[in-house]
Amino acid sequence: DAGVIQSPRHEVTEMGQEVTLRCKPISGHDYLFWYRQTMMRGLELLIYFNNNVPIDDSGMPEDRFSAKMPNASFSTLKIQPSEPRDSAVYFCASSHNEQFFGPGTRLTVL
Amino acid sequence: KNEVEQSPQNLTAQEGEFITINCSYSVGISALHWLQQHPGGGIVSLFMLSSGKKKHGRLIATINIQEKHSSLHITASHPRDSAVYICAVSGYGQNFVFGPGTRLSVLP
Repeated sequence: DAGVIQSPRHEVTEMGQEVTLRCKPISGHDYLFWYRQTMMRGLELLIYFNNNVPIDDSGMPEDRFSAKMPNASFSTLKIQPSEPRDSAVYFCASSHNEQFFGPGTRLTVL
Repeated sequence: KNEVEQSPQNLTAQEGEFITINCSYSVGISALHWLQQHPGGGIVSLFMLSSGKKKHGRLIATINIQEKHSSLHITASHPRDSAVYICAVSGYGQNFVFGPGTRLSVLP
């Protein structure tokens, strides 16, 4: 298996633009997590899914953020409109027991 | 919300030394996780613990549920162990709370 796949790896956009981050989990994993990492706040859990259903989105910072998992092999995290304070590395991880992390998407909002 | 602390914040060791990183948390949990983040940014899950002790190669993780404390030990440390080690706890469900991380540098 190729592991957790995230795209794009780097994204630079301007304030106000819509940003969509993508994740393909490892086949057979029933949990999917979205995390954000910044220098100031460290790693934070944004949302997680179990069997494609969102279980806890209490970490989503505000209504500008939304996440979907239309099927077991794909998830998106969308920011609309983006702001400079959203600049961070966004990680996707999947698990059945142990978590496996994707390489992350480095987002810069100018 | 669980408060997760780690010590030390930064650690520099000589190759071959025995290393201990500590993690404490404030509220009872169902599992504790140790993660390793390499300088390139990639994150690897090292251990998931709910009780006792686990060993994987030169890494040993222990947890004391009563004292709300966990330790990660590295025996015979090597420069390739240089990374940030992050403790995370999960309660009901899998609501992760992360510690601030311990930055380890192992010098040759």
